[in-house]
Amino acid sequence: ETGVTQTPRHLVMGMTNKKSLKCEQHLGHNAMYWYKQSAKKPLELMFVYSLEERVENNSVPSRFSPECPNSSHLFLHLHTLQPEDSALYLCASSHNDRGSYNEQFFGPGTRLTVL
Amino acid sequence: DQQVKQNSPSLSVQEGRISILNCDYTNSMFDYFLWYKKYPAEGPTFLISISSIKDKNEDGRFTVFLNKSAKHLSLHIVPSQPGDSAVYFCAASETPKILSRAGGTSYGKLTFGQGTILTVHP
Repeated sequence: ETGVTQTPRHLVMGMTNKKSLKCEQHLGHNAMYWYKQSAKKPLELMFVYSLEERVENNSVPSRFSPECPNSSHLFLHLHTLQPEDSALYLCASSHNDRGSYNEQFFGPGTRLTVL
Repeated sequence: DQQVKQNSPSLSVQEGRISILNCDYTNSMFDYFLWYKKYPAEGPTFLISISSIKDKNEDGRFTVFLNKSAKHLSLHIVPSQPGDSAVYFCAASETPKILSRAGGTSYGKLTFGQGTILTVHP
């Protein structure tokens, strides 16, 4: 397996369910990201982890809870979501050397539908 | 307040001709710019980038031009091929900040435009 993988690729859940999205990167990167893409909107950054430490939380509601157990894995735990949370959730990773710009590599995304 | 804008939602071009995708930004602190391409059911893939110290960067059929005074960049694809049909996103980054936590790594937030759908007709 190479690059950035995400599971599941599609998820349908009710508002009372609890589910988790998983991301894994096989690129030896040290930073991982969660983005949300809604229809006809730019990618919205949700969370950033660098060396497993959260360095950015972009005013995301607490019903989204990230977890980064190591530099290769990133999770997004979901609970009591709303229908407006339906979107494509993209994971990305990058290698963040000191002072360098970060070209991010994306996974295929999880298409989430909240009923 | 959208700091990176792609004002053309779609562009249609004949195979073999030039495709020009445009992007405007408002934040003068942006100093590094990237283009990503996205096919349906796949994540965005990095295409080409340019630093603000340059006004042009070329990679094969792809050339990115940067006009700092106009806060405008463009991606030229020539010749266009049907396989280039995809959504193209521009993104902008400020100078990365050194993270005193997280082992002294750097982080520069990417701000994306809303994308332009390019269709190249055979």
